[in-house]
Amino acid sequence: NAGVTQTPKFQVLKTGQSMTLQCAQDMNHNSMYWYRQDPGMGLRLIYYSASEGTTDKGEVPNGYNVSRLNKREFSLRLESAAPSQTSVYFCASRVARTGLFYGYTFGSGTRLTVV
Amino acid sequence: RKEVEQDPGPFNVPEGATVAFNCTYSNSASQSFFWYRQDCRKEPKLLMSVYSSGNEDGRFTAQLNRASQYISLLIRDSKLSDSATYLCVVNRNAGNMLTFGGGTRLMVKP
Repeated sequence: NAGVTQTPKFQVLKTGQSMTLQCAQDMNHNSMYWYRQDPGMGLRLIYYSASEGTTDKGEVPNGYNVSRLNKREFSLRLESAAPSQTSVYFCASRVARTGLFYGYTFGSGTRLTVV
Repeated sequence: RKEVEQDPGPFNVPEGATVAFNCTYSNSASQSFFWYRQDCRKEPKLLMSVYSSGNEDGRFTAQLNRASQYISLLIRDSKLSDSATYLCVVNRNAGNMLTFGGGTRLMVKP
């Protein structure tokens, strides 16, 4: 199994450009998440999708939009990139069960630089 | 106050040493606890879940103290390959979201 696949791995954008980060998982997980990780700030939740057809804002949603295309895919869109969005972006998924001991599986990340 | 707090370190230890990390969390309703490991420029990977009674996986032991709202990770006989950042992770509420601490960096020296 590939697990969680993110594309692209690296991207440089100019201020004002738009782009979509793609994420797909093949583990039949219900829940999917987008995080950003910045030095000294840890992982911060941007948006999440508890199940297919639903999306909700996390801690830092401004400047982003998401689409849960189907159970496998969850994309993150930057409509007008800003230098403050320079970061490493991680997609994650998690099986949604009542059991408490299931963690996230992360993709390998997208390193985005906005100049 | 952050929801999950960790000492950022770094902890510099020699090979073979025993090292312990602590983490405190603020939400007394939290029920799921994990330790993740993150290597430089890589994604976080699940190291172990933390059970109420404490649990061990090889050289790694995790403990949970609900009364004091802290979690610990003990690494025995440290290896060079243990050098990484260790993230304490707690579920935010009854739902499916997890909150990450800022991480503790461990450097194991020869």
